[in-house]
Amino acid sequence: GQSLEQPSEVTAVEGAIVQINCTYQTSGFYGLSWYQQHDGGAPTFLSYNALDGLEETGRFSSFLSRSDSYGYLLLQELQMKDSASYFCAVYNQGGKLIFGQGTELSVKP
Amino acid sequence: GAVVSQHPSRVICKSGTSVKIECRSLDFQATTMFWYRQFPKQSLMLMATSNEGSKATYEQGVEKDKFLINHASLTLSTLTVTSAHPEDSSFYICSAGFGQGAGSEQYFGPGTRLTVT
Repeated sequence: GQSLEQPSEVTAVEGAIVQINCTYQTSGFYGLSWYQQHDGGAPTFLSYNALDGLEETGRFSSFLSRSDSYGYLLLQELQMKDSASYFCAVYNQGGKLIFGQGTELSVKP
Repeated sequence: GAVVSQHPSRVICKSGTSVKIECRSLDFQATTMFWYRQFPKQSLMLMATSNEGSKATYEQGVEKDKFLINHASLTLSTLTVTSAHPEDSSFYICSAGFGQGAGSEQYFGPGTRLTVT
């Protein structure tokens, strides 16, 4: 079977750092992506890791350890607008994206 | 950047009718388009993968006779929900990619919110 596990919700304050973890079990793994989705909107691509290590894009960083089937999204200098759902997604065979259940991030003032 | 549009953004239909949703890649040719369904507070579930000029590949549990997918050109795919019922009410999202195979980035459309009364 295929499964991705991530926390259902996380709360943090403005200016803080938050890490959203994702563990996965999939048939065929080619990379891990992260998406942000605001209420009623479409998912927005944040990052993609195909190889082990840390990828940094502005305030957001994403990490992957293929041997541990684990990755995380790190959000720094949190802003109110970062309140959204965050999904990890695995690319498996045929370029299909399998999504986790999502983590709802609430940023408080 | 790559832009994907969907039409309509919202639709309300009566039970038993059919609804067509269009997905267009505006500034690139999409070799593959994907259709997802998302219920409130849940994840995106892949329904089917469509490649231009060939039959769509449906995920397990998705009724291909109910969710008709046509990918007539490299910029347009349509999803028709036939004989819609209230349980089909959901957020339908398409994505398009122009690479081949794993790791090809997908660009998501804005979604279509379907309500069946």
